[in-house]
Amino acid sequence: NAGVTQTPKFQVLKTGQSMTLQCAQDMNHNSMYWYRQDPGMGLRLIYYSASEGTTDKGEVPNGYNVSRLNKREFSLRLESAAPSQTSVYFCASSDFFGGLSGGYTFGSGTRLTVV
Amino acid sequence: KNEVEQSPQNLTAQEGEFITINCSYSVGISALHWLQQHPGGGIVSLFMLSSGKKKHGRLIATINIQEKHSSLHITASHPRDSAVYICAVRSEETSGSRLTFGEGTQLTVNP
Repeated sequence: NAGVTQTPKFQVLKTGQSMTLQCAQDMNHNSMYWYRQDPGMGLRLIYYSASEGTTDKGEVPNGYNVSRLNKREFSLRLESAAPSQTSVYFCASSDFFGGLSGGYTFGSGTRLTVV
Repeated sequence: KNEVEQSPQNLTAQEGEFITINCSYSVGISALHWLQQHPGGGIVSLFMLSSGKKKHGRLIATINIQEKHSSLHITASHPRDSAVYICAVRSEETSGSRLTFGEGTQLTVNP
Protein backbone atom coordinates (compact mmCIF):
# COMPACT_ATOMS: atom_id res chain seq x y z
CA ASN A 1 0.00 0.00 0.00
CA ALA A 2 1.18 3.51 -0.83
CA GLY A 3 2.19 5.58 2.15
CA VAL A 4 4.89 6.62 4.58
CA THR A 5 6.92 3.91 6.29
CA GLN A 6 8.77 4.69 9.52
CA THR A 7 11.18 2.46 11.39
CA PRO A 8 11.58 1.49 14.15
CA LYS A 9 8.19 1.63 15.88
CA PHE A 10 9.67 1.51 19.37
CA GLN A 11 13.14 2.26 20.73
CA VAL A 12 14.74 2.63 24.14
CA LEU A 13 18.08 4.44 24.31
CA LYS A 14 20.48 5.24 27.09
CA THR A 15 21.51 8.87 27.55
CA GLY A 16 24.34 9.66 25.16
CA GLN A 17 23.59 6.90 22.65
CA SER A 18 22.94 7.74 19.02
CA MET A 19 20.35 6.42 16.61
CA THR A 20 18.73 7.13 13.26
CA LEU A 21 15.02 7.06 12.54
CA GLN A 22 14.26 6.03 8.99
CA CYS A 23 11.39 7.29 6.84
CA ALA A 24 10.45 6.41 3.27
CA GLN A 25 7.48 7.45 1.11
CA ASP A 26 6.35 5.99 -2.18
CA MET A 27 3.89 8.68 -3.28
CA ASN A 28 6.40 10.76 -5.23
CA HIS A 29 5.91 13.62 -2.76
CA ASN A 30 8.35 16.52 -2.88
CA SER A 31 8.23 17.61 0.77
CA MET A 32 9.02 15.57 3.87
CA TYR A 33 8.92 16.41 7.57
CA TRP A 34 9.88 15.17 11.01
CA TYR A 35 7.62 16.05 13.94
CA ARG A 36 7.66 15.22 17.60
CA GLN A 37 4.55 14.86 19.73
CA ASP A 38 4.64 15.40 23.48
CA PRO A 39 1.76 15.22 26.00
CA GLY A 40 -0.20 18.48 26.22
CA MET A 41 1.46 19.93 23.14
CA GLY A 42 0.65 19.92 19.48
CA LEU A 43 2.92 18.29 16.96
CA ARG A 44 6.08 20.35 16.61
CA LEU A 45 8.24 20.49 13.53
CA ILE A 46 11.85 19.38 14.00
CA TYR A 47 13.19 19.57 10.44
CA TYR A 48 11.74 19.55 7.00
CA SER A 49 12.84 19.05 3.42
CA ALA A 50 10.85 21.10 0.95
CA SER A 51 12.36 19.21 -1.97
CA GLU A 52 15.08 16.69 -2.72
CA GLY A 53 18.47 18.18 -1.88
CA THR A 54 17.23 20.75 0.65
CA THR A 55 16.67 20.62 4.40
CA ASP A 56 15.66 23.33 6.85
CA LYS A 57 15.21 23.70 10.59
CA GLY A 58 11.76 23.73 12.11
CA GLU A 59 10.66 24.85 15.58
CA VAL A 60 12.71 22.43 17.69
CA PRO A 61 15.85 21.35 15.77
CA ASN A 62 18.38 21.27 18.62
CA GLY A 63 19.89 17.85 19.21
CA TYR A 64 18.82 16.49 15.81
CA ASN A 65 20.19 16.21 12.30
CA VAL A 66 18.51 15.08 9.10
CA SER A 67 19.43 13.72 5.71
CA ARG A 68 17.30 13.77 2.57
CA LEU A 69 18.93 10.75 0.99
CA ASN A 70 16.81 10.89 -2.18
CA LYS A 71 13.26 11.86 -3.07
CA ARG A 72 11.83 8.88 -1.17
CA GLU A 73 13.88 8.86 2.03
CA PHE A 74 14.32 11.33 4.89
CA SER A 75 16.15 10.23 8.02
CA LEU A 76 16.37 11.82 11.48
CA ARG A 77 19.48 11.33 13.61
CA LEU A 78 19.95 11.81 17.32
CA GLU A 79 23.71 12.12 17.86
CA SER A 80 23.68 12.03 21.67
CA ALA A 81 20.27 11.20 23.05
CA ALA A 82 18.92 13.06 26.08
CA PRO A 83 15.90 12.30 28.28
CA SER A 84 14.24 15.47 26.90
CA GLN A 85 14.09 13.72 23.54
CA THR A 86 11.72 11.10 24.89
CA SER A 87 8.74 11.55 22.62
CA VAL A 88 6.72 10.11 19.78
CA TYR A 89 8.21 10.98 16.41
CA PHE A 90 6.23 11.22 13.19
CA CYS A 91 7.48 11.45 9.66
CA ALA A 92 5.17 12.98 7.08
CA SER A 93 5.19 13.86 3.40
CA SER A 94 3.21 16.18 1.19
CA ASP A 95 3.03 17.53 -2.31
CA PHE A 96 0.90 20.51 -3.30
CA PHE A 97 0.13 21.21 -6.91
CA GLY A 98 -0.78 24.87 -7.12
CA GLY A 99 -2.32 24.66 -3.68
CA LEU A 100 -5.09 22.36 -4.85
CA SER A 101 -3.91 19.01 -3.60
CA GLY A 102 -4.24 18.12 0.07
CA GLY A 103 -1.87 15.15 -0.03
CA TYR A 104 -0.37 15.10 3.43
CA THR A 105 0.43 11.62 4.76
CA PHE A 106 1.86 10.55 8.11
CA GLY A 107 3.89 7.56 9.13
CA SER A 108 2.72 5.41 12.02
CA GLY A 109 5.12 6.95 14.54
CA THR A 110 8.18 5.94 16.55
CA ARG A 111 7.89 5.85 20.32
CA LEU A 112 11.33 6.74 21.69
CA THR A 113 12.30 6.55 25.34
CA VAL A 114 15.66 7.87 26.54
CA VAL A 115 16.68 6.66 30.01
CA LYS B 1 -0.98 32.44 22.72
CA ASN B 2 -0.83 29.53 20.29
CA GLU B 3 -1.38 30.28 16.63
CA VAL B 4 -3.94 27.45 16.51
CA GLU B 5 -6.39 26.87 19.33
CA GLN B 6 -8.95 24.10 19.59
CA SER B 7 -11.99 23.73 21.80
CA PRO B 8 -12.98 21.81 23.69
CA GLN B 9 -9.84 19.99 24.82
CA ASN B 10 -11.91 17.00 25.90
CA LEU B 11 -15.37 15.94 24.81
CA THR B 12 -17.50 13.02 25.94
CA ALA B 13 -20.66 12.15 24.04
CA GLN B 14 -23.27 9.43 23.89
CA GLU B 15 -23.59 7.35 20.77
CA GLY B 16 -25.80 9.07 18.22
CA GLU B 17 -25.09 12.64 19.36
CA PHE B 18 -24.09 15.44 17.00
CA ILE B 19 -20.56 16.62 17.79
CA THR B 20 -18.79 19.88 17.02
CA ILE B 21 -15.09 20.60 17.48
CA ASN B 22 -13.84 24.13 16.93
CA CYS B 23 -10.55 25.53 15.68
CA SER B 24 -9.46 29.18 15.73
CA TYR B 25 -6.24 30.50 14.27
CA SER B 26 -4.48 33.83 14.33
CA VAL B 27 -2.43 33.86 11.11
CA GLY B 28 -3.26 34.20 7.45
CA ILE B 29 -3.56 30.74 5.99
CA SER B 30 -3.60 29.07 2.62
CA ALA B 31 -5.13 25.83 3.90
CA LEU B 32 -6.48 24.15 7.02
CA HIS B 33 -6.34 20.44 7.77
CA TRP B 34 -8.36 18.26 10.08
CA LEU B 35 -6.56 15.12 11.22
CA GLN B 36 -7.61 12.11 13.27
CA GLN B 37 -5.30 10.26 15.65
CA HIS B 38 -6.49 6.92 16.96
CA PRO B 39 -5.46 5.40 20.30
CA GLY B 40 -2.85 3.32 18.49
CA GLY B 41 -1.14 6.58 17.52
CA GLY B 42 -1.50 6.67 13.75
CA ILE B 43 -2.52 10.00 12.20
CA VAL B 44 -4.91 10.17 9.28
CA SER B 45 -5.75 13.23 7.23
CA LEU B 46 -9.53 13.80 7.13
CA PHE B 47 -9.94 17.06 5.24
CA MET B 48 -8.03 19.90 3.68
CA LEU B 49 -10.00 23.15 3.36
CA SER B 50 -9.25 26.52 1.87
CA SER B 51 -12.85 27.75 1.79
CA GLY B 52 -16.44 26.70 2.35
CA LYS B 53 -17.42 23.23 3.41
CA LYS B 54 -16.50 19.59 2.75
CA LYS B 55 -18.37 16.41 3.63
CA HIS B 56 -17.22 12.83 3.84
CA GLY B 57 -19.69 10.31 5.20
CA ARG B 58 -20.74 11.48 8.68
CA LEU B 59 -17.98 14.09 8.87
CA ILE B 60 -18.45 17.70 7.83
CA ALA B 61 -15.78 20.40 7.94
CA THR B 62 -16.43 24.11 7.48
CA ILE B 63 -14.17 27.12 7.39
CA ASN B 64 -14.76 30.87 7.66
CA ILE B 65 -11.64 32.59 6.39
CA GLN B 66 -12.77 36.08 7.46
CA GLU B 67 -13.37 34.94 11.04
CA LYS B 68 -10.30 32.65 11.09
CA HIS B 69 -12.39 29.76 12.34
CA SER B 70 -13.14 26.19 11.34
CA SER B 71 -15.44 23.52 12.72
CA LEU B 72 -15.49 19.75 12.42
CA HIS B 73 -18.90 18.14 12.85
CA ILE B 74 -19.67 14.47 13.35
CA THR B 75 -23.26 13.38 12.81
CA ALA B 76 -24.72 10.25 14.45
CA SER B 77 -21.54 9.70 16.46
CA HIS B 78 -20.32 6.17 17.14
CA PRO B 79 -17.82 4.70 19.64
CA ARG B 80 -15.41 4.07 16.76
CA ASP B 81 -15.20 7.88 16.31
CA SER B 82 -13.35 8.03 19.64
CA ALA B 83 -9.99 9.59 18.82
CA VAL B 84 -8.00 12.80 19.05
CA TYR B 85 -8.99 15.32 16.38
CA ILE B 86 -6.29 17.77 15.39
CA CYS B 87 -6.58 21.02 13.49
CA ALA B 88 -3.54 22.24 11.54
CA VAL B 89 -3.00 25.31 9.38
CA ARG B 90 -0.62 26.08 6.54
CA SER B 91 0.48 29.68 6.92
CA GLU B 92 0.59 31.90 3.86
CA GLU B 93 4.13 32.83 4.87
CA THR B 94 5.69 29.38 5.15
CA SER B 95 7.27 27.35 2.43
CA GLY B 96 7.44 23.61 1.91
CA SER B 97 3.85 23.01 3.00
CA ARG B 98 4.69 23.34 6.70
CA LEU B 99 1.81 23.00 9.13
CA THR B 100 1.18 24.46 12.58
CA PHE B 101 -0.88 22.19 14.80
CA GLY B 102 -3.42 22.66 17.54
CA GLU B 103 -3.12 20.55 20.68
CA GLY B 104 -6.00 18.34 19.68
CA THR B 105 -9.44 17.50 21.03
CA GLN B 106 -9.87 14.14 22.76
CA LEU B 107 -13.28 12.75 21.79
CA THR B 108 -14.83 9.82 23.62
CA VAL B 109 -18.12 8.41 22.38
CA ASN B 110 -19.82 6.06 24.81
CA PRO B 111 -22.22 3.32 23.68
